[in-house]
Amino acid sequence: RKEVEQDPGPFNVPEGATVAFNCTYSNSASQSFFWYRQDCRKEPKLLMSVYSSGNEDGRFTAQLNRASQYISLLIRDSKLSDSATYLCVVNKGNMLTFGGGTRLMVKP
Amino acid sequence: EPEVTQTPSHQVTQMGQEVILRCVPISNHLYFYWYRQILGQKVEFLVSFYNNEISEKSEIFDDQFSVERPDGSNFTLKIRSTKLEDSAMYFCASSRTSGAFNEQFFGPGTRLTVL
Repeated sequence: RKEVEQDPGPFNVPEGATVAFNCTYSNSASQSFFWYRQDCRKEPKLLMSVYSSGNEDGRFTAQLNRASQYISLLIRDSKLSDSATYLCVVNKGNMLTFGGGTRLMVKP
Repeated sequence: EPEVTQTPSHQVTQMGQEVILRCVPISNHLYFYWYRQILGQKVEFLVSFYNNEISEKSEIFDDQFSVERPDGSNFTLKIRSTKLEDSAMYFCASSRTSGAFNEQFFGPGTRLTVL
């Protein structure tokens, strides 16, 4: 089983749509969780940390279910600029383990 | 906003040659990392570094790799004898803290092409 598993997509959605990404992780000792975004041939950029109680940052909402080892990201009111690959990332110690990413394409 | 910087942006080398990839982490960060991403694949952890020592390394980080902080600002990754399969994007990252919730910030990467 992959350490961090994501649906690769692509998710093709119209502007203004709501889209949700899911991620599962295999290591129950994982300490912290993040969503990064990566544009084509660029570096991963931290989008948000994911807290056990769930957290929101503008149009983005992240949820964590430790019992199910499941992380989600919800994007509301999608913009063209949201088109990117979204990386689910878990941390144990100082080592980040990345999922393969879910590609999002927002169309006009 | 402070950023991690990396040089060069693209490095082309012949198989068997040594390469040194350079990074300048964010100035008040104490923890430094190297990751790599082979084209079309996921980002993979190579090594973490703190207080002039390696703190963790992955199976990828074998004897042909080494890291160094030669002065107060640079953090380098050396590949001693490059192989074709070392062709990848190499990202440097830094963080202020360690352990849980250490938010790591990535540089723009060095694209290494081994011919």
